[in-house]
Amino acid sequence: QKEVEQDPGPLSVPEGAIVSLNCTYSNSAFQYFMWYRQYSRKGPELLMYTYSSGNKEDGRFTAQVDKSSKYISLFIRDSQPSDSATYLCALRLSGSARQLTFGSGTQLTVLP
Amino acid sequence: NAGVMQNPRHLVRRRGQEARLRCSPMKGHSHVYWYRQLPEEGLKFMVYLQKENIIDESGMPKERFSAEFPKEGPSILRIQQVVRGDSAAYFCASSDREETGELFFGEGSRLTVL
Repeated sequence: QKEVEQDPGPLSVPEGAIVSLNCTYSNSAFQYFMWYRQYSRKGPELLMYTYSSGNKEDGRFTAQVDKSSKYISLFIRDSQPSDSATYLCALRLSGSARQLTFGSGTQLTVLP
Repeated sequence: NAGVMQNPRHLVRRRGQEARLRCSPMKGHSHVYWYRQLPEEGLKFMVYLQKENIIDESGMPKERFSAEFPKEGPSILRIQQVVRGDSAAYFCASSDREETGELFFGEGSRLTVL
């Protein structure tokens, strides 16, 4: 079993839709949770970074963490074609940035 | 994340040759991380370096792979005697301190082994 499971998609939605992206994990020691966006042939860029259970909102993006269920989500409201990318969840243990454990990524296409 | 510079962006090697990938971290960053992304897979940690020191190489294959971050100049990931299975995108990331959630990634070096 992988430490982090992420549905690879591909996921295709119409413009304006609400997108839900999810990851599950098995190691309860993960303390920090991140979402990265990766455009084709580019490097990942950090979208959201959360520490505790609950919700964190930034513009059209909301990150949700449920530590009891070992489940994290990223919601994108009013999705735009420019949101078309691969979304990677990343988790790390407390106190160390040296190793992020990434999900395999979900490929999202937002159709105009 | 344009601040992390990687070169070459694309590299083609034949089996048995050596590949050298370079990474210049963002200005002011002294922590460098190398990750590998195989097709259809997520990024996998390889090695974490600070200036002149390898801090954690637990993700590096035991043979043929080495990394350095000298006092002057970029960090280098070196792959000797490449094999087809080494074909991947290699990403470098940097941070200004270890205790941070934000790594800034470069655009990657894509290695193709023929």
